[in-house]
Amino acid sequence: DTGVSQDPRHKITKRGQNVTFRCDPISEHNRLYWYRQTLGQGPEFLTYFQNEAQLEKSRLLSDRFSAERPKGSFSTLEIQRTEQGDSAMYLCASSPPSSGLQETQYFGPGTRLLVL
Amino acid sequence: DQQVKQNSPSLSVQEGRISILNCDYTNSMFDYFLWYKKYPAEGPTFLISISSIKDKNEDGRFTVFLNKSAKHLSLHIVPSQPGDSAVYFCAARGVNAGNNRKLIWGLGTSLAVNP
Repeated sequence: DTGVSQDPRHKITKRGQNVTFRCDPISEHNRLYWYRQTLGQGPEFLTYFQNEAQLEKSRLLSDRFSAERPKGSFSTLEIQRTEQGDSAMYLCASSPPSSGLQETQYFGPGTRLLVL
Repeated sequence: DQQVKQNSPSLSVQEGRISILNCDYTNSMFDYFLWYKKYPAEGPTFLISISSIKDKNEDGRFTVFLNKSAKHLSLHIVPSQPGDSAVYFCAARGVNAGNNRKLIWGLGTSLAVNP
C-alpha cells in the first residue's frame, strides 16, 4: 500500500465555482479525517468519519462544505460557491481500526486550493 | 485560543548538534501527543508520539519528553542532519464524542540544520 492519496494535488478555481476533492485512505483504515491548513498555521480539524458514518463536523465547516464517505473507503470533500477565504491546503488522514487510544493518523500529500 | 503552543517559529542548528523543539499545551484532558514533520507542499509525516502515562519515548535519533505537571513536551533530535530541515508540528489529542480522536495542532517550528 502506498499510503493516503489525494486528488487533485492542486486546484485553481474562480470564486463562485464548485470544487470536489477526493481522498483514498490506506486500505482497511476505518477512520478518516479532513483538515485544512492555511499559511503559517497548523492544520485545523474539519470533519471525521468512522467507516461511512460522519461522526463530527467542525463549526469551520460551513453549509457550503459537504463531505461523504459512501462505502466506507474513499471520501470526497465538496466546496460549493467557493470564496477566496477557502484558499488553503486540504489534508486527509486515516488511521486503522485497532489502534486503540494510541492512534496515529497518517496524512496524504494534500490538495492545495487557490480561489481567484 | 491556542491550546497547543509552539512559541519558537524557527530554530537554526549546526549539523551534528542537538535540536530541541518545544511545545506547551493548556488542556489537561489531552492524553496523547504526536510530532509531525512537514516539507513544503507535502502532507505531515508522523515522527514520534508519547502517551500521557509516559515521560519519555525514544526512536532512533528522535526522543520526546513529556512533563505533565508543566504541560510541556519537547522533541530532541540528535545528531541533527541537513535532511531534518523542515517544519515540525506538535499535536495533541483528547477523546471526544463519537470517539473522534481529532488532533489539535501547534503553529509549527521551522528547523534549519546547517551543514
